Parts: sequence; structure tokens; C-alpha cells
Amino acid sequence: QSVLTQPPSASGTPGQRVTISCSGSSSNIGSNTVNWYQQLPGTAPKLLIYSNNQRPSGVPDRFSGSKSGTSASLAISGLQSEDEADYYCAAWDGSLNGRVFGGGTKLTVL
Amino acid sequence: EVQLLESGGGLVQPGGSLRLSCAASGFTFSSYAMSWVRQAPGKGLEWVSDISGSGGTTHFADSVKGRFTISRDNPRNTLYLQMNSLRAEDTAVYYCAKDRVFGESLDYWGQGTLVTVST
Repeated sequence: QSVLTQPPSASGTPGQRVTISCSGSSSNIGSNTVNWYQQLPGTAPKLLIYSNNQRPSGVPDRFSGSKSGTSASLAISGLQSEDEADYYCAAWDGSLNGRVFGGGTKLTVL
Repeated sequence: EVQLLESGGGLVQPGGSLRLSCAASGFTFSSYAMSWVRQAPGKGLEWVSDISGSGGTTHFADSVKGRFTISRDNPRNTLYLQMNSLRAEDTAVYYCAKDRVFGESLDYWGQGTLVTVST
């Protein structure tokens, strides 16, 4: 049972826009920034979004993040086949005094 | 180019110990906090521990508190994870990662090292 709650799966067709939600509480998302990671099959995770909505250099602007209250979301526009991966949200939790991850969302491009 | 290379994984019996290492290059190691994150087979990511750039501040997940120790050797650009009293549920790929900002995001990850706890 993960501290941050994500849907286990999501899907879309090429070109579509999909969103992945991440729900937390006042001790994590409600009081700290949210980050998103992409994990392609068989590879290490990669930072996709930091500080709620900032993209590291090299991440396409098709990826965007937002946060409101104790929830956050990742949006992917112009879906491409190479976006098929697992996506994780994460945040610092002040009550646990540590990082917490969501359970991950497996994105399938149909 | 930032590179993180983990080593030290392997097969260990329940109750045993193992020390993981992570050799870092391509950035000023002592200026950045570092973290360990693990992933059990077929499961999601689980944060394990982190340590500040100086080594003076550390945090641990409840699941490993009292059993795992994190440390760093800044002159050698190396991060360590000492794992004692290992359990079957500690079986996972262990990744080391560089903190972009301490306690915020992890901007570079190694390829991971597999730890298997089994008889």
C-alpha cells in the first residue's frame, strides 16, 4: 500500500492526451513539491518533472505536471509509442521524514 | 556527464549482510545529497535512504531503519549502503541516485544492482 495513490494503468492512442493522477495528503503533496519519474521497460527510472511542473533539460514539452492541494497530475500530449512506460509520482513526507512514491501507473499506447 | 555505477549486489542468506557501493563521476560529489531507492521484482519504486552532501544528515525508510546504514566517502566519490539482518523482502534491484536538491527530486540514477535474499 503506497502512501501516494496512482491508478495502476492508463492507456491512449497515438496523438491523444492522457493524464495520470497522484493523490496524497497534507504531509506530503500538500506541503512539498511533486516529482514524476518515467521508467521504460528494463531500464532505470528517469526524472520527468520536478518541483510540480518543471521539466529537466531534454524532456519534451509534451510532458507537463500540475499540483492542486493534496493531488497532482502528469499530462502527456501527442502520445507516442515510445511513451509506453511506468510512471511514478513522488514527494517528501514530513510526517514520515522520508520520500514517498506512488505505486506507479503503467501507460499503454494502443 | 554524470555517471553512477552500483556494485556489491548478489545472493545472501536471510540474516546475512551485504554492502553496496555507488561510484559517482561527472559532478562535484560532495556538493550533493545522494539516495538509495529499491525495486522488488515486478513491483514499484521504494525509497530506502538518503544522505546529505557532508554526510551529516541521513534519513531511512521505516522498513530498513535499524538494519541499514548509509555513508559516503567524498574524497573517493563513493556512496555506500550497509545492509544487515537481511530479509527475503529486501530482495530488489537497488538504485543509487543523485539528489537535485536534498529531499526534492532525483535527477540522475544508476543502472542498479540486484540483491537476492534467499536460502
